[in-house]
Amino acid sequence: AQSVAQPEDQVNVAEGNPLTVKCTYSVSGNPYLFWYVQYPNRGLQFLLKYITGDNLVKGSYGFEAEFNKSQTSFHLKKPSALVSDSALYFCAGRSGGYQKVTFGTGTKLQVIP
Amino acid sequence: SQTIHQWPATLVQPVGSPLSLECTVEGTSNPNLYWYRQAAGRGLQLLFYSVGIGQISSEVPQNLSASRPQDRQFILSSKKLLLSDSGFYLCAWRSYRATNEKLFFGSGTQLSVL
Repeated sequence: AQSVAQPEDQVNVAEGNPLTVKCTYSVSGNPYLFWYVQYPNRGLQFLLKYITGDNLVKGSYGFEAEFNKSQTSFHLKKPSALVSDSALYFCAGRSGGYQKVTFGTGTKLQVIP
Repeated sequence: SQTIHQWPATLVQPVGSPLSLECTVEGTSNPNLYWYRQAAGRGLQLLFYSVGIGQISSEVPQNLSASRPQDRQFILSSKKLLLSDSGFYLCAWRSYRATNEKLFFGSGTQLSVL
């Protein structure tokens, strides 16, 4: 069975500081990994994905994520946080060849002005 | 361009009443379709997914069912709602082509069972 874990319910960061939202995965074979963001009462929006290739993946709104196979992690990062980045962030993953996409429990990011 | 429509946006239903939530996708063919439930604004639970007409995979035994009567239509149903069915329901689609992996989500339905 595949699973995705987000160990932090909430992350607080001051505006302008770098941010990291953590994600670890357990997916058989080659993992396909994703980050999504959700604003209140809205659907999820895609941020970035790792399928294959470079371990550092760049996405929307200045976000990036680093795939680390040895640590089975896919942490979301941004060099300088904005207040508008405050939202709920989801990590997701699936194994290649499978249709089921599994999501983590979400991490609430609060950027403090 | 592709779009996904999900309705209604909000729904208040009494316990024991039936449910039908509809999701349609435009601008693509043979999409993979998904129903997720989000409880209390947090984690997403995969309920059902479908890779084709009439093909439904159920992830969690529960009071709900899903159907795919047409290629781009995905319906979530219940014969008798329970209080525990309350939540935010999200429909999503994904292209079956390997080069396009991301999920596109609808705007969601907030279901309150009273």
